[in-house]
Amino acid sequence: DAGVIQSPRHEVTEMGQEVTLRCKPISGHDYLFWYRQTMMRGLELLIYFNNNVPIDDSGMPEDRFSAKMPNASFSTLKIQPSEPRDSAVYFCASSSMGQKLFFGSGTQLSVL
Amino acid sequence: AQTVTQSQPEMSVQEAETVTLSCTYDTSESDYYLFWYKQPPSRQMILVIRQEAYKQQNATENRFSVNFQKAAKSFSLKISDSQLGDAAMYFCAYRSPPGNQFYFGTGTSLTVIP
Repeated sequence: DAGVIQSPRHEVTEMGQEVTLRCKPISGHDYLFWYRQTMMRGLELLIYFNNNVPIDDSGMPEDRFSAKMPNASFSTLKIQPSEPRDSAVYFCASSSMGQKLFFGSGTQLSVL
Repeated sequence: AQTVTQSQPEMSVQEAETVTLSCTYDTSESDYYLFWYKQPPSRQMILVIRQEAYKQQNATENRFSVNFQKAAKSFSLKISDSQLGDAAMYFCAYRSPPGNQFYFGTGTSLTVIP
């Protein structure tokens, strides 16, 4: 298996633009997580899905952030409009129940 | 709510020596999982070791071992014969079956001195 695949690896955008981050989980995993990592706040759970259904989105910072999982093999995290404070590394990760978390390589987002 | 605490923001160790990274967690659950992840400068998150709470025996993976104290809610990572490649940020994580979220500590930055 290729592992969790995220794209893009780097994204540079201007404030106010829409940003879409993409994730393909490992086949057969029924949990998908989106994390944000910053120096100040560490790893923050934004949202997670179970069987494509959002279970807990309490970590989503505000309405500018939205996440979808239209099927078992694809998820997106969208920020609209983006702000400089959204600059961070965004990780997607997938797992089966009780098992370890497999991380993607992350998307480094810079909002200018 | 479950919390994971890593009280050592930075640690250093001499190459070939042993170092222990601390982690405590708070939970009311009896069945859960604990993990240590390593994040080198490449930023890839790599699983180091995993422990099931129902197992009394401490997990080991080559030079990596844990000291799991369930009553004290403590889960420390011991790295023996430290190597330069061990230099990284180390995260302790907790996973509980009911919600299946992963909760991460704030990390410990490990420096290995040649």
